[in-house]
Amino acid sequence: GAVVSQHPSRVICKSGTSVKIECRSLDFQATTMFWYRQFPKQSLMLMATSNEGSKATYEQGVEKDKFLINHASLTLSTLTVTSAHPEDSSFYICSARDPGQGGFFGPGTRLTVL
Amino acid sequence: RKEVEQDPGPFNVPEGATVAFNCTYSNSASQSFFWYRQDCRKEPKLLMSVYSSGNEDGRFTAQLNRASQYISLLIRDSKLSDSATYLCVVNPTGGYNKLIFGAGTRLAVHP
Repeated sequence: GAVVSQHPSRVICKSGTSVKIECRSLDFQATTMFWYRQFPKQSLMLMATSNEGSKATYEQGVEKDKFLINHASLTLSTLTVTSAHPEDSSFYICSARDPGQGGFFGPGTRLTVL
Repeated sequence: RKEVEQDPGPFNVPEGATVAFNCTYSNSASQSFFWYRQDCRKEPKLLMSVYSSGNEDGRFTAQLNRASQYISLLIRDSKLSDSATYLCVVNPTGGYNKLIFGAGTRLAVHP
């Protein structure tokens, strides 16, 4: 089946630093990828839709200047959390859809901001 | 009203039990529906798609009632390995578009 990889799997950083998370579709091309965030014991919440070659579409309440998304190729999207703060600590998951499928998720990145 | 609503559980059942999860969605124009499984601190994994005619995959049966905007998942002969959170997921517009997740229903199967 389709595989989506994500890197890094875990990040611990100091408040104020920026963190970049990569999401790759390994055996299919994804013109669209999605970035989700999941706080403990809560559901996945869509943050933004990443479109290859164009600007990302952000969900209401998500700051586009804080969560920078770049989708430079058909297999790679990056999410950069700028000036991270403790409240940004969360599980960030990307997703890409292979034609006809429900969507495959990366293994997630657990971000802890101290 | 939430776009996708599920009973959070937890459902604590013995091995071999049959358990059913329910889910309702608010957007009557929603195009496709899925059940995902999420283990603790892991990413969600697709369990099965849900079709209007109902579909079965081994011990798992999914059903969709578009008129009632209701989705169900039935697990028969529960195994310890079925313990996880089950997420009801809706694609409101079809195509390669975003998925809307329910908060999940936690299942704990005990010996």
